[in-house]
Amino acid sequence: EVQLVQSGAEVKKPGESLKISCQGSGYRFSSYWIGWVRQMPGKGLEWMGIIFPADSDTSYNPSFQGQVTMSADKSISTAYLQWSSLRASDTATYYCAKREMRGVKDAFHIWGQGTMVIVSS
Amino acid sequence: DTQMTQSPSSLSASVGDTVTITCRASQTISTSLNWYQQKPGKAPKLLIYAASSLESGVPLRFRGSGSGTDFTLTISSLQPEDFATYYCQQSNSNHWTFGQGTKVEIK
Repeated sequence: EVQLVQSGAEVKKPGESLKISCQGSGYRFSSYWIGWVRQMPGKGLEWMGIIFPADSDTSYNPSFQGQVTMSADKSISTAYLQWSSLRASDTATYYCAKREMRGVKDAFHIWGQGTMVIVSS
Repeated sequence: DTQMTQSPSSLSASVGDTVTITCRASQTISTSLNWYQQKPGKAPKLLIYAASSLESGVPLRFRGSGSGTDFTLTISSLQPEDFATYYCQQSNSNHWTFGQGTKVEIK
């Protein structure tokens, strides 16, 4: 079974750093793009960016460029999203998703369960 | 970036109704349009890809159509499990974008 399992919820203070993870299984992790999507409380979905684990090629939404860093360790089939200095406005649920590119299909077809991040003093 | 605008933002419907959600792109995206369903506290689920192709396992009552800038998601014979929020998303450019969502509520 193809699945993505994300790390657990986090409660952090403003200014702290954080790295959340997304581990893939059931497929060749390095060969498929992984995307990150933010959902602020009660709000819609925002595409943050995407990473190709084989070579760590990345593409960021300009709105998130410089605010977060995506990385991947293909040896353990895991992608990461990290912050160097959290802000209260980073409070949200973060989803990772596997991109499927096959024929006309180019979509996020498998999603992680989400990681809730709360930033509060 | 390509902006995606959904309408309506919310709607109320009864079990058995047919509902239609529209999604408009700020520039032409061919058929690079996907639809997702999200239930409270859950991850989104892919329903439709490439504007009109049904994802495996998704019921036939879900239908997508459109090309260029205007797209539609139609749910026929609404079922209790269909009450959720629906998002369109374009995959035409390097930077994907989602619509703001349409919440389908029980009347």
